[in-house]
Amino acid sequence: DAKTTQPNSMESNEEEPVHLPCNHSTISGTDYIHWYRQLPSQGPEYVIHGLTSNVNNRMASLAIAEDRKSSTLILHRATLRDAAVYYCILRPSLPHNAGNMLTFGGGTRLMVKP
Amino acid sequence: DTAVSQTPKYLVTQMGNDKSIKCEQNLGHDTMYWYKQDSKKFLKIMFSYNNKELIINETVPNRFSPKSPDKAHLNLHINSLELGDSAVYFCASSQGLLDPIQPQHFGDGTRLSIL
Repeated sequence: DAKTTQPNSMESNEEEPVHLPCNHSTISGTDYIHWYRQLPSQGPEYVIHGLTSNVNNRMASLAIAEDRKSSTLILHRATLRDAAVYYCILRPSLPHNAGNMLTFGGGTRLMVKP
Repeated sequence: DTAVSQTPKYLVTQMGNDKSIKCEQNLGHDTMYWYKQDSKKFLKIMFSYNNKELIINETVPNRFSPKSPDKAHLNLHINSLELGDSAVYFCASSQGLLDPIQPQHFGDGTRLSIL
């Protein structure tokens, strides 16, 4: 299975943009790039996903490198409520992911300073 | 409105006991999952169910037996609890087993502590 590499932790100041990087050099052509986050004492929460093009939604933006070997989750203005562990996950299309499961790595712990 | 709800939120019990965790989703999804998050915070898939049928069992001991009475429920029964079973267990659901872009919705977890 294709794996992802993320920094263990990052710090940001409140109200500033945050760029969370993810390397996935062994990504295959049919792997989708998903991001989830886990706030303290809660279950993971879907943030965004993409395949080749950059994506925007109300929570964040996802910038995908042209060769798809890396991606960056962008929080445009970090708030204290954005402090969480952010997971970058590759989701293969079938038949390579028969259970449609998510494979979580260690993620990046984002700390937001007031 | 709670989308994926788990009960109980906390479970403290003795080694050797049998316990169950319940999960219900009101999203109309057809696929449900159990994940385990250990003390090092790594989240791992345990089971995947689609329309009440077991799809994947990720080398989980036989002491763990999931049961899906209908599409909206996936319960987890654990026999002969061991110290290593202490963890947070998360239930999740999504729509469409075959769709790799549908997000999974997670409950808030059940914190199981074995004494």
